[in-house]
Parts: sequence; C-alpha cells; structure tokens
Amino acid sequence: AQTVTQSQPEMSVQEAETVTLSCTYDTSENNYYLFWYKQPPSRQMILVIRQEAYKQQNATENRFSVNFQKAAKSFSLKISDSQLGDTAMYFCAFMRGSNYKLTFGKGTLLTVNP
Amino acid sequence: GAGVSQSPSNKVTEKGKDVELRCDPISGHTALYWYRQSLGQGLEFLIYFQGNSAPDKSGLPSDRFSAERTGGSVSTLTIQRTQQEDSAVYLCASSFFSGQGDEKLFFGSGTQLSVL
Repeated sequence: AQTVTQSQPEMSVQEAETVTLSCTYDTSENNYYLFWYKQPPSRQMILVIRQEAYKQQNATENRFSVNFQKAAKSFSLKISDSQLGDTAMYFCAFMRGSNYKLTFGKGTLLTVNP
Repeated sequence: GAGVSQSPSNKVTEKGKDVELRCDPISGHTALYWYRQSLGQGLEFLIYFQGNSAPDKSGLPSDRFSAERTGGSVSTLTIQRTQQEDSAVYLCASSFFSGQGDEKLFFGSGTQLSVL
C-alpha cells in the first residue's frame, strides 16, 4: 500500500515571500504520478501541479514548482511570490500508473500574511 | 457544465435518517469518483464509476453506503440509517478517463454532512 506523509500541519509566510511545503511518500511502484492539490475555504480541491515519476524534470506552473527526488521519495512544493489567495490547505497525493485512486496526505494549512 | 456540481452544499440530518448526495460531473467526463474527507481519517476513496458501472466500490465503509450513476452523468451517493461517524465532507470528482494512468481529477465543492 502507498502512504503519503506531510510533516508540516501548519505553515505561514509573508506576502511576496517564498515557501516550501514538504511531502514524502512510500511505494514499491515504478510508474506513478504525484500531485499537489489546494483546498481553499470553498472546499473545492484544485489541482495545482502534477509530476510524472518517469520524468526527471521538475514540473512548474507559474509561481508553483516542485522538487521531485525520486530516490528519496520526496515531492516538495515551492510557492514563489506568495499571494493572499494562496491561503489554503495543501494536499500532496499519489496515484499509481494505470490506476485512478488518489492517496492523500493529511494536508498542510498554509497562511499567507499581509 | 463548467465544473463539477454537488448538492446540497450542506446537509444536517438526524441519526437514523437516510440522506442522498448528488454529483453532476463535467460534461463528457466518463469517470466519476466519490471521496470522503473527515477530521479523523483525512481524505478517503469511496467508489469509482466508469460510465454507469462501478468497478471499484472498495472504499465504501459499510453496506449502509451505496451509489449509482445514471446516463453516464449524474451520480447519487446514498447513506442509509446515518450515524454520527458519517459526518464529513463528501467530495465528488470527475475525469476523462484515459486508461493511461494520467488522470486529472476535477473536484466539486463537496457536501458537508452533519449527523446530529
């Protein structure tokens, strides 16, 4: 079974600064996908970024980027130029290749302070 | 539709009553998923639909829980004889299932169920 661990229950950052959220996972699979989802107070889970395990290049989406260390089974999210709208719960998630089930971490509550 | 729509947004019910939660997926999405988000357990997979079939019901916690999908579109999650431990946010998601393992799930805003 796969497990996803987010060791930071809460984090805070000043507006315009950079913050990194940690995620580690455990799997014996070689083909899988990793995700970061954002859940604002509206409750809707919004896909922030996705990484294919077979790709060595780290995924980036505008101010969001990941540091994917496959050997260490680490998948951290970096948010640059933090904005007040980034305040939300952030969930790291794992999906086996050719599967559909997401395994989520417990989440990190990020607060961006003005 | 433009996104995944869930109704009701909030539901308060008494212990022992039955409830129905509705999910309207993104038009054209063949796959539909239900997840439960609770304080104690985090986010848990409940059930997966491909079209109207549910090849994976492994996450349903008990036989009080059932779900159906009709017309390859709307899905209803039914909880019979609700218990206080059923209190949670029930999230629905849909995707265009590629079978390649690169699914991108789009979530709704969930139904907050409170069982008194």
